Amino acid sequence: KAGVTQTPRYLIKTRGQQVTLSCSPISGHRSVSWYQQTPGQGLQFLFEYFSETQRNKGNFPGRFSGRQFSNSRSEMNVSTLELGDSALYLCASSLDLWGYTFGSGTRLTVV
Amino acid sequence: GENVEQHPSTLSVQEGDSAVIKCTYSDSASNYFPWYKQELGKRPQLIIDIRSNVGEKKDQRIAVTLNKTAKHFSLHITETQPEDSAVYFCADGGEGGSEKLVFGKGTKLTVNP
Repeated sequence: KAGVTQTPRYLIKTRGQQVTLSCSPISGHRSVSWYQQTPGQGLQFLFEYFSETQRNKGNFPGRFSGRQFSNSRSEMNVSTLELGDSALYLCASSLDLWGYTFGSGTRLTVV
Repeated sequence: GENVEQHPSTLSVQEGDSAVIKCTYSDSASNYFPWYKQELGKRPQLIIDIRSNVGEKKDQRIAVTLNKTAKHFSLHITETQPEDSAVYFCADGGEGGSEKLVFGKGTKLTVNP
């Protein structure tokens, strides 16, 4: 079966702009989580959605937001981009919260 | 769980040797601990996980041990091969299958042929 699909794979944005990243989970998986990966901070939890509801949120500013649609697809949005937002954004899906499968990520570069 | 310490940050071994990576966690209520392998430029992949109702779990050359009293868990790779070279991340999955994984900073393993 298809894995977790993230689009786009690469993105270059300018400071102050906003960006939307997309994630399609594995079919049947209803939990979708987002993580930010940087060389300095490692893998950090952004938020998790289940049945269109955000159940948990990490320690990120309000510029980071997300949502989940009825088909379990999820999007995350970052507004007013800063240079420090440059990172690999990873989406992960799970059937039962006991094992997460990650997508290949979106590499965001803010210039 | 809110904090996971992972050691060492880098590890270099000869092919055929064993490698051990250790993690400690802070939340005594946590009961799910997965390990992920991330090769350069690729996504993290779950390689093994353990729940607190067992002290050890094996899958071929990979094993994970858990000491709930000391709040630490370890990844053991035996008979290492060059394709084992990657960054390995431990994580604390909280209680009962959590919506959130708290990751260690990662260990870069290099297996020299």
